[in-house]
Amino acid sequence: AQTVTQSQPEMSVQEAETVTLSCTYDTSESDYYLFWYKQPPSRQMILVIRQEAYKQQNATENRFSVNFQKAAKSFSLKISDSQLGDAAMYFCAYRSGYGGSQGNLIFGKGTKLSVKP
Amino acid sequence: DTGVSQDPRHKITKRGQNVTFRCDPISEHNRLYWYRQTLGQGPEFLTYFQNEAQLEKSRLLSDRFSAERPKGSFSTLEIQRTEQGDSAMYLCASSPPPSGRADEQFFGPGTRLTVL
Repeated sequence: AQTVTQSQPEMSVQEAETVTLSCTYDTSESDYYLFWYKQPPSRQMILVIRQEAYKQQNATENRFSVNFQKAAKSFSLKISDSQLGDAAMYFCAYRSGYGGSQGNLIFGKGTKLSVKP
Repeated sequence: DTGVSQDPRHKITKRGQNVTFRCDPISEHNRLYWYRQTLGQGPEFLTYFQNEAQLEKSRLLSDRFSAERPKGSFSTLEIQRTEQGDSAMYLCASSPPPSGRADEQFFGPGTRLTVL
């Protein structure tokens, strides 16, 4: 079975600085997708960034980028120029890419990010 | 707003009562998921619908839980004879037909259940 591990329960960053959230996963599959979701306090979960395992190039979305190390099964999220609105729970998630799979996400336990003004 | 909606947002019930939650997915999405999230944990998969067919159920979904998606539109999740351990946030998500890429799941705001 696939598992996702986020080893940092809480992180803190100064506004305008850069922070990296860690995620490792375990799978025997070669075709899969990885995601980072953001869950602000009392608000719904939204997608931050996604990565297809078959792509070697790291995904970027504005201030958010990932460091995808397939051999090491590592998928970290870097947030540059942190803003107060980035404060939230961040979840790393895995989805099988195999045809016929239901496509459900497997989540880590999350990292609570605080942003200091 | 055409996002995923869930009703009610909060539900407080007494142990042993039945509760039902509703999820309205984004209209063109044929895939619908239910997850459960307890405090300090990430969401855990409960069940999956493709159109009206329930194609997968997690072992977390005991016999007291039942889900439906009549006509492939909205979905309901019912918990019978609630227990205190059922207290959690119940999240619904929907996504479009698979494209062979990293399709996004769009989440609703959740229903927070408290069982007294």
